[in-house]
Amino acid sequence: AQTVTQSQPEMSVQEAETVTLSCTYDTSENNYYLFWYKQPPSRQMILVIRQEAYKQQNATENRFSVNFQKAAKSFSLKISDSQLGDTAMYFCAYRPQGGSEKLVFGKGTKLTVNP
Amino acid sequence: DAGVIQSPRHEVTEMGQEVTLRCKPISGHNSLFWYRQTMMRGLELLIYFNNNVPIDDSGMPEDRFSAKMPNASFSTLKIQPSEPRDSAVYFCASSFRASGGQETQYFGPGTRLLVL
Repeated sequence: AQTVTQSQPEMSVQEAETVTLSCTYDTSENNYYLFWYKQPPSRQMILVIRQEAYKQQNATENRFSVNFQKAAKSFSLKISDSQLGDTAMYFCAYRPQGGSEKLVFGKGTKLTVNP
Repeated sequence: DAGVIQSPRHEVTEMGQEVTLRCKPISGHNSLFWYRQTMMRGLELLIYFNNNVPIDDSGMPEDRFSAKMPNASFSTLKIQPSEPRDSAVYFCASSFRASGGQETQYFGPGTRLLVL
């Protein structure tokens, strides 16, 4: 069964600095998708970024970028120029390309951005 | 465009009562998902539908839980009878499944359920 592991339950960073959140996953599939979702205190789940496993280029969305290492099954999220509004829980998620549309989530990392 | 709409946003009920959670997916989306979030188990899929048909209900805890999708714009998740261990945040999400499977799931604001 596919599993997603986020080894950092909590992290903190100073405003304007850069922080990296770790995620590893286990799968026997070759084609799949990876996602980072953000959950602020409002509890709304917000998509931050997605990566297709067949793409070698790392995805980037403004201040958010990923380091996707397929062989290592690693998918870390880098947040540059951290802002107070980035304070949230961050969840890494996996889904195979074919078959089930089920998202498998990690346990999450609580990120606090300090002024 | 309106996102996924869930109601109610908060629900407090007593053990043994029936609870019905509602979801309206994003217009045009053909897949709908129900997730539950608890401190102990994190986020887990309960059931999902594609074109109104249940595809995977392996996450439904037990017979007390049931879900329906009578049409493309509405789904319900019902718990009868409710128990304190059902207390959680229930999320509905939707996506548009096309060939290639590049769809992204968009989440509603969630329903926070407390069973006393």
